[in-house]
Amino acid sequence: TQLLEQSPQFLSIQEGENLTVYCNSSSVFSSLQWYRQEPGEGPVLLVTVVTGGEVKKLKRLTFQFGDARKDSSLHITAAQPGDTGLYLCAGAWYGGSNYKLTFGKGTLLTVNP
Amino acid sequence: DTGVSQDPRHKITKRGQNVTFRCDPISEHNRLYWYRQTLGQGPEFLTYFQNEAQLEKSRLLSDRFSAERPKGSFSTLEIQRTEQGDSAMYLCASSASGRTYNEQFFGPGTRLTVL
Repeated sequence: TQLLEQSPQFLSIQEGENLTVYCNSSSVFSSLQWYRQEPGEGPVLLVTVVTGGEVKKLKRLTFQFGDARKDSSLHITAAQPGDTGLYLCAGAWYGGSNYKLTFGKGTLLTVNP
Repeated sequence: DTGVSQDPRHKITKRGQNVTFRCDPISEHNRLYWYRQTLGQGPEFLTYFQNEAQLEKSRLLSDRFSAERPKGSFSTLEIQRTEQGDSAMYLCASSASGRTYNEQFFGPGTRLTVL
């Protein structure tokens, strides 16, 4: 069974702080996506990374794909209360079905004003 | 721009009843997926359609579950003889084929509560 582990599971910080969350696996991804989910809603796609070592920026969010395409990180600079939510990473495994995403359990981020 | 829509948003039912959920994908997307999410977990893959063909079903999808996409547009997911363990958020997603990687866009989900 291919697992996708996210850490930390919970994170509570003050507005203005920086943070990094991680997504790790022992297997290689063909692509990896980050989603943000609010309570009672579906996940919203933030970014897709496909190339080892790739870095993508979305305003205050920086996404990095590991060189070996087995891990990824999401860094948020100067967090705001609007960043509160569940951050999920999801991968399509290299050599597997590229349509079936495997999700981590997510990191529940709370940004306090 | 119309995203993925799901109906109903919430469903409360008694154990043993049948329920049906509907998903309308993004109009130009020919791939459609159903996932299930329970509290504290990420979404888990249930099934996948390309156009009207159901190409894969997870082992999570017991014989009480059936999904259809008769005209390759909207899809329905039916659960027969519901059990309390079926309580979860049921998510639908869609994507376009012909891409080198698979970006899936999710609907708001249907929250099912089985009493």
